[in-house]
Amino acid sequence: DIQMTQSPSTLSASVGDRVTITCRASQSISKWLAWYQQKPGKAPKLLIYKASGLESGVPSRFSGSGSDTEFTLTISSLQPDDFATYYCQHYNSYWTFGQGTKVEIK
Amino acid sequence: QVQLQESGPGLVKPSETLSLTCNVSGASISSYYWGWIRQPPGKGLEWIGYIHYSGSTNYNPSLKSRVTISVDTSKTQFSLKVTSVTAADTAVYYCARGGRGCSTSSCSLDYWGQGTLVTVSS
Repeated sequence: DIQMTQSPSTLSASVGDRVTITCRASQSISKWLAWYQQKPGKAPKLLIYKASGLESGVPSRFSGSGSDTEFTLTISSLQPDDFATYYCQHYNSYWTFGQGTKVEIK
Repeated sequence: QVQLQESGPGLVKPSETLSLTCNVSGASISSYYWGWIRQPPGKGLEWIGYIHYSGSTNYNPSLKSRVTISVDTSKTQFSLKVTSVTAADTAVYYCARGGRGCSTSSCSLDYWGQGTLVTVSS
């Protein structure tokens, strides 16, 4: 089975900071990776699909990159609404989620 | 506007079967992938399984022996059954549509239900 490992588990940042979250796959998954944002008590929301595709309606400060085993979600300038937990997901055949990265206010 | 809504009992006894339904509106269920994900309180997301509109299914190997997902195209809904539940199955259960950035075998999850909490307790 393919394992997805996110780092860091928790990230403390300030409004305006550039934030980077990494997701590593235990074997190559090509570009079949998505990123989601989840706020407390809410369902996850799709941000990025196919490693770098920006979902409609998602602000352009969010971007995704990477392929094969290493992927990155970047928030170019953190906004108050961005404090949340972020999950990566491999979705070719199996749906495997990373353990999540909580972005907290510094 | 695509909407998904989970329904089913919020309390299930140990050893019994958990049954949930996801009602889909605003989209044809005869397309895409339709799946279930759960989240134990305070923990991360766990994939349970999904069904393609053609009827093919794929399940998390760790749950496969206890899980069945089916689709009813006439009612625009799909369902989840988990047998022999224990306290470890207590979680918020989400249904979702796989419909974006698709590979040959699946897609990322572009629409989600609001989630329903299922507690396993006697």
